[in-house]
Amino acid sequence: EAGVTQSPTHLIKTRGQHVTLRCSPISGHTSVYWYQQALGLGLQFLLWYDEGEERNRGNFPPRFSGRQFPNYSSELNVNALELEDSALYLCASSPRTSRGNSPLHFGNGTRLTVT
Amino acid sequence: DQQVKQNSPSLSVQEGRISILNCDYTNSMFDYFLWYKKYPAEGPTFLISISSIKDKNEDGRFTVFLNKSAKHLSLHIVPSQPGDSAVYFCAASRIQGAQKLVFGQGTRLTINP
Repeated sequence: EAGVTQSPTHLIKTRGQHVTLRCSPISGHTSVYWYQQALGLGLQFLLWYDEGEERNRGNFPPRFSGRQFPNYSSELNVNALELEDSALYLCASSPRTSRGNSPLHFGNGTRLTVT
Repeated sequence: DQQVKQNSPSLSVQEGRISILNCDYTNSMFDYFLWYKKYPAEGPTFLISISSIKDKNEDGRFTVFLNKSAKHLSLHIVPSQPGDSAVYFCAASRIQGAQKLVFGQGTRLTINP
């Protein structure tokens, strides 16, 4: 079974630019989550999509957005990049469930560096 | 508001001894808890979980203990092995209703030979 795949693995952008990160969940998983891990910090919840809809959003500004496609893949968009957006962006997936007791399966992340 | 806290950023343990990683939470609505392990340049991998109806769950060398009254959980690894060196994250959520996982800041565990 293929795991959660993220692309690209590394990215370097300049302040003010826009970036799109992509995620393919495990086959059969309908929920996709995005987390940010900045240097020295834990995983901060960004966004959660299930069945194409945004279910929950973390405490991040509106320039962080995303969407989920009919095939359940997802993309995370960050506009007007700032230096502090430099982080590892992790995508995770889980089976469709209305109960929060399914472990999340993570991809290896996209390392974004903003200069 | 940090609802899940891991107060020890790092821990160093001798190979073969017991490693104990601690985690505290503030939200009494949390009823499902997990531990994840993360190696550099990889995503976190699920290790073990426990629901609030239990106070202990074992899986091989890994045991998670939950103290609901103290809002505290711990992960015991025994015996510790060099391959256990990683960053460990605890996470919590609510089972009822679709709830996101809230993670702690992580504890870097180093197993010394």
